[in-house]
Amino acid sequence: QAQLVQSGGEVKKPGASMKVSCKASGYTFSSYDISWVRQAPGQGLEWMGWISTYSGNTKYAEKFQGRFTMTTDSSTSTADMELRSLRSDDTAVYYCARCLGTAYYDAFDMWGQGTMVTVSS
Amino acid sequence: EIVLTQSPGTLSLSPGDRATLSCRASQRFPSNYLAWYQQKPGQAPRLLIYGISSRAIGIPDRFSGSGSGTDFTLTISRLEPEDSAVFYCQQYGTSPTFGRGTKVEIK
Repeated sequence: QAQLVQSGGEVKKPGASMKVSCKASGYTFSSYDISWVRQAPGQGLEWMGWISTYSGNTKYAEKFQGRFTMTTDSSTSTADMELRSLRSDDTAVYYCARCLGTAYYDAFDMWGQGTMVTVSS
Repeated sequence: EIVLTQSPGTLSLSPGDRATLSCRASQRFPSNYLAWYQQKPGQAPRLLIYGISSRAIGIPDRFSGSGSGTDFTLTISRLEPEDSAVFYCQQYGTSPTFGRGTKVEIK
C-alpha cells in the first residue's frame, strides 16, 4: 500500500543542522508533491514548505526562509529536508506529507510516521 | 497570516452523540480550501475532509464538513469510541495554517 517512511529520530545541539529523509512507496512519486509540517511537543501543526517532486520547485514558509532546504530524488522516490542553525524551539516531530493536488498550498492526504528531533545542549 | 480559531478546546461526549466542532478564520481566504484532520496520540494526522465538505478516501459518512466565508464546521454525526482524538482544521488558500485543535473525549 502507499506509504511514506521517514528516517529515525535525532538529538542535535543548538547551532547544528538536522536532516530528515522521507521515502515514498506504493505510488508514482513524481505524481504527488510533498510538504513538510512540524509539531512541537504538545502543540499544533506548522507548515514549513512545499516541493514539487516533478520539477524540484520549492515554496518555503517565510518563517523558515534561509535556513530550510528541501530536495527530492525521483530515482529513489525520496524527499529530504535540512534545517540549519537549530534552536531549542526547533524541537518537534517533523512530518513529510503528500499533497492532495498540484498547488503549493494544499491539503495532505498521506503522512509519514514522523521524526522526532530534539535540540538540546 | 490567517489565524484559525477552533472551539471548543475540549468536547466530552458519549458514544452515539453528535459532535460539532467549529473553526473560524481571521480573514477570508481564496476559494474553498479548508481541510480537517484527526490526530490520535503518537500518530500522524489523518485527512478527513478537504475542500470544506469533500470526504477523503476511506472516511465514513458520519464525518461531514460545512461552512463558508470565515466559519466552518466539522460534524461527527454518531460518535464511536475510536473517534477520541484531536481534530485540526487547516486553510490552504494561502500559506497553510492550522488551528490549535479540538480534543474530543468519549465518555
